[in-house]
Amino acid sequence: DAKTTQPPSMDCAEGRAANLPCNHSTISGNEYVYWYRQIHSQGPQYIIHGLKNNETNEMASLIITEDRKSSTLILPHATLRDTAVYYCIVSPMAAGNKLTFGGGTRVLVKP
Amino acid sequence: ETGVTQTPRHLVMGMTNKKSLKCEQHLGHNAMYWYKQSAKKPLELMFVYSLEERVENNSVPSRFSPECPNSSHLFLHLHTLQPEDSALYLCASSQEIGTLGGYTFGSGTRLTVV
Repeated sequence: DAKTTQPPSMDCAEGRAANLPCNHSTISGNEYVYWYRQIHSQGPQYIIHGLKNNETNEMASLIITEDRKSSTLILPHATLRDTAVYYCIVSPMAAGNKLTFGGGTRVLVKP
Repeated sequence: ETGVTQTPRHLVMGMTNKKSLKCEQHLGHNAMYWYKQSAKKPLELMFVYSLEERVENNSVPSRFSPECPNSSHLFLHLHTLQPEDSALYLCASSQEIGTLGGYTFGSGTRLTVV
């Protein structure tokens, strides 16, 4: 699996957009970018995933660069409840592959 | 409530005790997983089950013994644990092993070994 690099922590202002970067410079053509988050004392929660097109759902938007070497998760209007560790994971969508986590980015949304 | 229920939420056990963690899902998923999350470390995948058959054991010590009696239930039997086994144990399920965007996690069991 390709490795990902995320900043260990970042602060965001409540009500503003939060832009979470992820570098995956060794990503392969068949590998997807997945984002999960883990709120304190809970299990991780799926947010969004994409291959090469930008994606949007009710939780967030995923912007993948044209060369696919990096991506950004955007929380459009951060709330205090968005405080969590955010994990960027790169992996093929193939039978037999399991979800493996790195260190993630600890995001603190401040009033 | 995520659809994956873990009990108990908290457990304190001595090193000579035997206890079991339980995980239950009624999402119709065919794959179930045990993860371990120690303080200040990433989640570690411990065991993977597909259709009640164990398909992966990531070098987990034998003092951890998983059991999957049916596709809705997963247990982790614990015996003669060490203090360093204290951690948050998370159960997850997905439709199939490869559906990485469809994992549903429980809230975990916070285990303390004394």
